[in-house]
Amino acid sequence: GENVEQHPSTLSVQEGDSAVIKCTYSDSASNYFPWYKQELGKRPQLIIDIRSNVGEKKDQRIAVTLNKTAKHFSLHITETQPEDSAVYFCAASIRGSNYKLTFGKGTLLTVNP
Amino acid sequence: GAGVSQSPSNKVTEKGKDVELRCDPISGHTALYWYRQSLGQGLEFLIYFQGNSAPDKSGLPSDRFSAERTGGSVSTLTIQRTQQEDSAVYLCASSLALLLAGGPKTDTQYFGPGTRLTVL
Repeated sequence: GENVEQHPSTLSVQEGDSAVIKCTYSDSASNYFPWYKQELGKRPQLIIDIRSNVGEKKDQRIAVTLNKTAKHFSLHITETQPEDSAVYFCAASIRGSNYKLTFGKGTLLTVNP
Repeated sequence: GAGVSQSPSNKVTEKGKDVELRCDPISGHTALYWYRQSLGQGLEFLIYFQGNSAPDKSGLPSDRFSAERTGGSVSTLTIQRTQQEDSAVYLCASSLALLLAGGPKTDTQYFGPGTRLTVL
């Protein structure tokens, strides 16, 4: 089955800096890659996703890049703010079973004011 | 509109007892998922329901775990003879399901607030 590795497990940045979280996946048949943000004590919420037919997607300060050859994808947050502090999870799902998300173990991002 | 709701929000039980966790999906969402989130871990897929199709139970960790979805809406996750390692947050999610020529394709998954289960 699919395996998703996520790094780093914790990341601390100064407000205004950029943050990058990286994930690798094992199954070349994976074609859908969402990112979820989970604030302390709250439910996970989708922040951005990408499908395998594109290499990059941006939404304001957030971007995701996908390298299908290397089987890795990354989340980029620019101009970080304290409210970006949360746990971020990457996930992947396989073509034909897009409902079955395999999640990484999460990255705790702390943005220091 | 109303999001995914789950009850109870917290459940403390003794080892060996059975527990039932409930999920109310977003109205109109035909796809429903259960996940388990252990401390410091990612979300672990448990089971998936889509309309009247047979559920995908491939993520259930043992035969002590079962789930039902009655009437295509509310779902109940049951854990029998609970063990301490069952302690975790159980999250439910729902989504629209798009029926395409190549098979069903699910949309964004919206999560509920979770049920924190503690087995003493």
